[in-house]
Amino acid sequence: EADIYQTPRYLVIGTGKKITLECSQTMGHDKMYWYQQDPGMELHLIHYSYGVNSTEKGDLSSESTVSRIRTEHFPLTLESARPSHTSQYLCASSGGLAVSSYEQYFGPGTRLTVT
Amino acid sequence: AQSVTQLGSHVSVSEGALVLLRCNYSSSVPPYLFWYVQYPNQGLQLLLKYTSAATLVKGINGFEAEFKKSETSFHLTKPSAHMSDAAEYFCAVSVSGGYNKLIFGAGTRLAVHP
Repeated sequence: EADIYQTPRYLVIGTGKKITLECSQTMGHDKMYWYQQDPGMELHLIHYSYGVNSTEKGDLSSESTVSRIRTEHFPLTLESARPSHTSQYLCASSGGLAVSSYEQYFGPGTRLTVT
Repeated sequence: AQSVTQLGSHVSVSEGALVLLRCNYSSSVPPYLFWYVQYPNQGLQLLLKYTSAATLVKGINGFEAEFKKSETSFHLTKPSAHMSDAAEYFCAVSVSGGYNKLIFGAGTRLAVHP
């Protein structure tokens, strides 16, 4: 079944650690996105990609980095986690033409807590 | 630039009552509009979308939304609320310019009480 996956679902980690949040999709989509969402708050786009080797920063500045080496895989990395990075991170993908290219499908999210 | 405003961060209704969640948008070009629902500790799920084919759009779980260009609105309704409808709802508008991005509203938390 076509879907979008995120691991881990929950992560508690100490300050200064390097972390990678995984996102994979079997939707066959070319576009992928990372959003940051604080509890009960709106979504903020932090990274997006139109395809392999294409990544752009989003509307909200983030210390995280992303890579897109394979179409289906879009990991997010924090080199040195800080308590200010505590948040929920949502991955999404979209594909096709016209309205389909805007119709984003979301993974279940990773809730990150940095102590 | 595109933007989305959701009026009312919290809406509370009785089970069986009408649900009305308000969304107003601004866009210099005909937009695509979306409603998403988010249950606790989950990602967003697409409820419905406006693509200019019809102004009244029906979605999943009995929800529908009407596009009103003159009012720049895309309000979400459901005739009869169910306890399982309690969740966070987000309205989103497409960003023109070929970037395939969405701008999300701040969200409306719907509570349904017996």
